[in-house]
Amino acid sequence: AQSVTQLGSHVSVSEGALVLLRCNYSSSVPPYLFWYVQYPNQGLQLLLKYTSAATLVKGINGFEAEFKKSETSFHLTKPSAHMSDAAEYFCAVSGNFGNEKLTFGTGTRLTIIP
Amino acid sequence: EPEVTQTPSHQVTQMGQEVILRCVPISNHLYFYWYRQILGQKVEFLVSFYNNEISEKSEIFDDQFSVERPDGSNFTLKIRSTKLEDSAMYFCASKRLAGDPSGELFFGEGSRLTVL
Repeated sequence: AQSVTQLGSHVSVSEGALVLLRCNYSSSVPPYLFWYVQYPNQGLQLLLKYTSAATLVKGINGFEAEFKKSETSFHLTKPSAHMSDAAEYFCAVSGNFGNEKLTFGTGTRLTIIP
Repeated sequence: EPEVTQTPSHQVTQMGQEVILRCVPISNHLYFYWYRQILGQKVEFLVSFYNNEISEKSEIFDDQFSVERPDGSNFTLKIRSTKLEDSAMYFCASKRLAGDPSGELFFGEGSRLTVL
């Protein structure tokens, strides 16, 4: 079974500041990990994914995440926040074989302060 | 760019009524899903569908729920007798390949169901 925990349901950062959204996972098999973003009134869009290749994964819009097995973490970062980054961010996990469904975290709403 | 489309965007219904939510997945995708998100809660898996049959379903997906791919393009979720607790945003998603857990899911914009 897989699960993810997202610390902080709401995060506020100033425009230009570092964005750090935390995700810890639990998985009984080697995991695949994903970050999805949901803009207001839109569906979920894939930001980036870890699929057991490079542990540092780069995604769209300047976001990246690092898979740390020892910490069971997959935190999402962006060096400099932009107003357009305001959205809800979801971390998700699936197993690397067999069961293909995604298990999502509770989401983190990111607010950018001008 | 191909996208998953869902209708209706918002439906209000009375408790006990039947509801059908419709989805048109991306045309060359083979694996289909329904997820739901109760307001303020996490996105939850309901069911996956491949080769015209359910691949997996969650404990949420009880006998009140059913899915169908009636015509090779639409993928529907039916709730036979809605309950107040069915109020949620329902997301349809599709994936190009089966047997590819790393593959990207493409999500629709969701159908918001409000049960009164």
